[in-house]
Amino acid sequence: SQQGEEDPQALSIQEGENATMNCSYKTSINNLQWYRQNSGRGLVHLILIRSNEREKHSGRLRVTLDTSKKSSSLLITASRAADTASYFCATADYKLSFGAGTTVTVRA
Amino acid sequence: GAGVSQSPSNKVTEKGKDVELRCDPISGHTALYWYRQRLGQGLEFLIYFQGNSAPDKSGLPSDRFSAERTGESVSTLTIQRTQQEDSAVYLCASSADWSSYNEQFFGPGTRLTVL
Repeated sequence: SQQGEEDPQALSIQEGENATMNCSYKTSINNLQWYRQNSGRGLVHLILIRSNEREKHSGRLRVTLDTSKKSSSLLITASRAADTASYFCATADYKLSFGAGTTVTVRA
Repeated sequence: GAGVSQSPSNKVTEKGKDVELRCDPISGHTALYWYRQRLGQGLEFLIYFQGNSAPDKSGLPSDRFSAERTGESVSTLTIQRTQQEDSAVYLCASSADWSSYNEQFFGPGTRLTVL
């Protein structure tokens, strides 16, 4: 069953703008991971944030985690056309449980 | 290997036929996972293998689905008597071990179409 739920389901932005998407989950976790999927095929791991961390950065990506609200956010700054993809959060206990994803379209 | 590979990349079959999907994990990765992704949806966990431990089959949707893994290498997912609702992309992933602190590396998937 799905654990994470992303919001919004779809997002369209202009190149150079920031994109923010949120993830809510239901049960306690060890960590939360964000993945990107291009063209409906393989997923690429973006970033992992542990349950005792509140914020993490990786290049143009910023992830926050609020375990009290059971939510996480992914911010992509200065978006590029190549960022067009679906983004999934996955909560981890002993396996990953994925949400339905946010589809991001970056317009040139 | 360089990454997780899956074969075939596309499979079209007729309803009622059996299909076998293959996954080659990254060399040395002890954990292997199978997921299913229906069109426009998230990933649905099917099964995972960790070393020589009994696999976690809790995500398999019916007894038509089965999977095997030879040691810490190749895995095959078999779907018997395929149904149209089995149409999906089947993704395989591997990680260094079962620990959830390890990221999973995904293969490109097999797109299964059941006519």
